[in-house]
Amino acid sequence: ETGVTQSPTHLIKTRGQQVTLRCSSQSGHNTVSWYQQALGQGPQFIFQYYREEENGRGNFPPRFSGLQFPNYSSELNVNALELDDSALYLCASSSAREYEQYFGPGTRLTVT
Amino acid sequence: AQTVTQSQPEMSVQEAETVTLSCTYDTSENNYYLFWYKQPPSRQMILVIRQEAYKQQNATENRFSVNFQKAAKSFSLKISDSQLGDTAMYFCAFMKVSGYALNFGKGTSLLVTP
Repeated sequence: ETGVTQSPTHLIKTRGQQVTLRCSSQSGHNTVSWYQQALGQGPQFIFQYYREEENGRGNFPPRFSGLQFPNYSSELNVNALELDDSALYLCASSSAREYEQYFGPGTRLTVT
Repeated sequence: AQTVTQSQPEMSVQEAETVTLSCTYDTSENNYYLFWYKQPPSRQMILVIRQEAYKQQNATENRFSVNFQKAAKSFSLKISDSQLGDTAMYFCAFMKVSGYALNFGKGTSLLVTP
């Protein structure tokens, strides 16, 4: 069974740029959730995708957007990067039949 | 909105000893799930234990057990026979049965010393 994978591991961007982060869900899972974890904080929910549609969204502005593909992998896109976007971005996958979410190793984004 | 509070920013325990991490939450929901996740320095968030609110019996997973007090909205994690590999950040999380988002506390940093 393949776990959740994310790429890249680390990323450095400049304020105002755009970034795309990628996530492959665990085998058998069809739902992907994205979280932002600022330094020293717990993860904050960004949004969830199920069957290629956004299934729910947290308190994040529209410049945070996402996609889910037919193979259930997902992308998180952030436009017009701000310094406060510097964080660890976590992807979690789950099955529609189960409620547990399983996390990937995260992408560390630094905005300078 | 649901809030999760972890009142112990840092804790320390000696190897082989027992430690309890505290978590309280605020919700008007009757049915929900509670979780403890572990995040070691490698950053990977690992599910440690889960509890369904409708189950009165406290969950147990090997050395990890919870004390779930629904009326008090308390969900503490007990780690028995602590091991050096238990050193990590521990996050308590809440999710509505009808929901999709995990609401996390700010975490407790646990250090296990030899």
